[in-house]
Amino acid sequence: EADIYQTPRYLVIGTGKKITLECSQTMGHDKMYWYQQDPGMELHLIHYSYGVNSTEKGDLSSESTVSRIRTEHFPLTLESARPSHTSQYLCASSEHGRAVETQYFGPGTRLLVL
Amino acid sequence: AQSVTQLDSHVSVSEGTPVLLRCNYSSSYSPSLFWYVQHPNKGLQLLLKYTSAATLVKGINGFEAEFKKSETSFHLTKPSAHMSDAAEYFCVVNGLFGKGTRLSVIA
Repeated sequence: EADIYQTPRYLVIGTGKKITLECSQTMGHDKMYWYQQDPGMELHLIHYSYGVNSTEKGDLSSESTVSRIRTEHFPLTLESARPSHTSQYLCASSEHGRAVETQYFGPGTRLLVL
Repeated sequence: AQSVTQLDSHVSVSEGTPVLLRCNYSSSYSPSLFWYVQHPNKGLQLLLKYTSAATLVKGINGFEAEFKKSETSFHLTKPSAHMSDAAEYFCVVNGLFGKGTRLSVIA
């Protein structure tokens, strides 16, 4: 069973607020990812990390930022939330270097910006 | 370049009938292939993965997928659909997600 956690699960905030979505995994995985998924739409990779102090932008341009100070922790921050940021955010991790990198997903954070 | 194409955005089947969710891909090297399922208001769950040990891969909940290199396909099947199978299914190739196929099961 994968051990990857996201908090909060649901968040409703006003425009202009700074928010941080938390993601933690206890599997010691090097690679971590953030995906954005609008209702009924496909997943888009917005950030990923190969390990501590490594962060890369994904396929979809995002106004969010990430950090990777510890292996187990990969928070995503929005400095000033806008209604266009309303979406579901999924965090995942995988073990880097294996021939088959299975991604394990957290339960997701549903964000609503009013 | 690599890509993954889920050929149907929505599939509807009757309970007890077979399920076929299609996935084609392109990859410049031997691909890593996965199917994930996402139930409403739930996180993604791994159904199965292709590890090159066998072309027919068995997953959870009675699902299977067959890797066909000549056809560059990795279609997901199940002999008999259950109401609880209604969900969104994602084919993933080398970490790249398909657009998803929504499976509806009619009683």
